[in-house]
Amino acid sequence: GAVVSQHPSRVICKSGTSVKIECRSLDFQATTMFWYRQFPKQSLMLMATSNEGSKATYEQGVEKDKFLINHASLTLSTLTVTSAHPEDSSFYICSVLRRNNQETQYFGPGTRLLVL
Amino acid sequence: AQSVTQLGSHVSVSEGALVLLRCNYSSSVPPYLFWYVQYPNQGLQLLLKYTSAATLVKGINGFEAEFKKSETSFHLTKPSAHMSDAAEYFCAVSDYNAGKSTFGDGTTLTVKP
Repeated sequence: GAVVSQHPSRVICKSGTSVKIECRSLDFQATTMFWYRQFPKQSLMLMATSNEGSKATYEQGVEKDKFLINHASLTLSTLTVTSAHPEDSSFYICSVLRRNNQETQYFGPGTRLLVL
Repeated sequence: AQSVTQLGSHVSVSEGALVLLRCNYSSSVPPYLFWYVQYPNQGLQLLLKYTSAATLVKGINGFEAEFKKSETSFHLTKPSAHMSDAAEYFCAVSDYNAGKSTFGDGTTLTVKP
């Protein structure tokens, strides 16, 4: 069964609103969670690395004030897209690393965001 | 610095034919290498990984890949394609753990009946 869940799976919102996406590790404690963005027919772009209890580390070119990441517990990380614009429309995927295995990355099913 | 090049953005094979998806990497340290599969509107599923053990790696669904250091390659193969193999495939490289991976641009595999 799935080890990582994301909620919601799809969301449509109006321009200017904020959207929160949850990523949950279902079977184990995830010391590190990652957030990716994927445009249609393109590869994954790492947005940020999230460690429980500390501030997220953002990749170059990713606006930290635009994409707020909170890693509240060892099983939950949230990505909030603030003041969303149509160009933020994308497929957002999270992944997790478990505490005792840094060699395998478990991906969530993704969240499709459409900003009108 | 690390990078991945997937040769061929689209590969089409007939059902039952050999599948070969090409991946070349660049890494300044001994790499960890991964192949993932993605079905439409879904996350990525790990097919197999190389982490400095055996150079021939067997994965799920009959896939395997061979790490060739001299060629800096990690090509994915499957002897006989099934219709259910039609998907997007990504090769990825990392230098210390799976999370800080760099992904290739992906290869779309089409399987014809």
